Amino acid sequence: NAGVTQTPKFRVLKTGQSMTLLCAQDMNHEYMYWYRQDPGMGLRLIHYSVGEGTTAKGEVPDGYNVSRLKKQNFLLGLESAAPSQTSVYFCASSYISSDDGYTFGSGTRLTVV
Amino acid sequence: GQQLNQSPQSMFIQEGEDVSMNCTSSSIFNTWLWYKQDPGEGPVLLIALYKAGELTSNGRLTAQFGITRKDSFLNISASIPSDVGIYFCAGHGGGGADGLTFGKGTHLIIQP
Repeated sequence: NAGVTQTPKFRVLKTGQSMTLLCAQDMNHEYMYWYRQDPGMGLRLIHYSVGEGTTAKGEVPDGYNVSRLKKQNFLLGLESAAPSQTSVYFCASSYISSDDGYTFGSGTRLTVV
Repeated sequence: GQQLNQSPQSMFIQEGEDVSMNCTSSSIFNTWLWYKQDPGEGPVLLIALYKAGELTSNGRLTAQFGITRKDSFLNISASIPSDVGIYFCAGHGGGGADGLTFGKGTHLIIQP
């Protein structure tokens, strides 16, 4: 039972390049989330999904897009990467709602140069 | 948006000492959770609190949901080296955008 798996673990992008971060969970969770973690800022919600085919904006959605075509997968896209998007990105999932607590992936460290 | 004030930002303690950290908010939360993050890993849930005044323990960890629903604290008794890490509080208010609001973390460092 893998839990929440994020790929890739590390990536370096040039400004203006695009990429997709993949999150997969095998716990049949309904809710999935993307957070970014920056020094001194804690974890900030980018986008979330309350079920297959649904997405919603979080606290810091600008510059990112997401898709939830399958229940087990939640993709985070950067169309034109900027240095301000250098961060550690975490995916999380929960069974019904945030009250259940999240299961986090191990993170993707992204550097935009 | 909702904000959580977590303190202290960092703690330098001796092995065996007790630790206390807290979170406060200007908004009411319906759920408080405490997470621990080890280097290079995602946060892991330690304790979840669902009712005002609730006091819950998990081994050497004890957390309380404040009566006003605007604060929570986490205590760690008799600290050991593996307690090192970053501890986050998180709250869920039930209103607005779904998802948890996280504090900025308390970095616990244990000196031998």
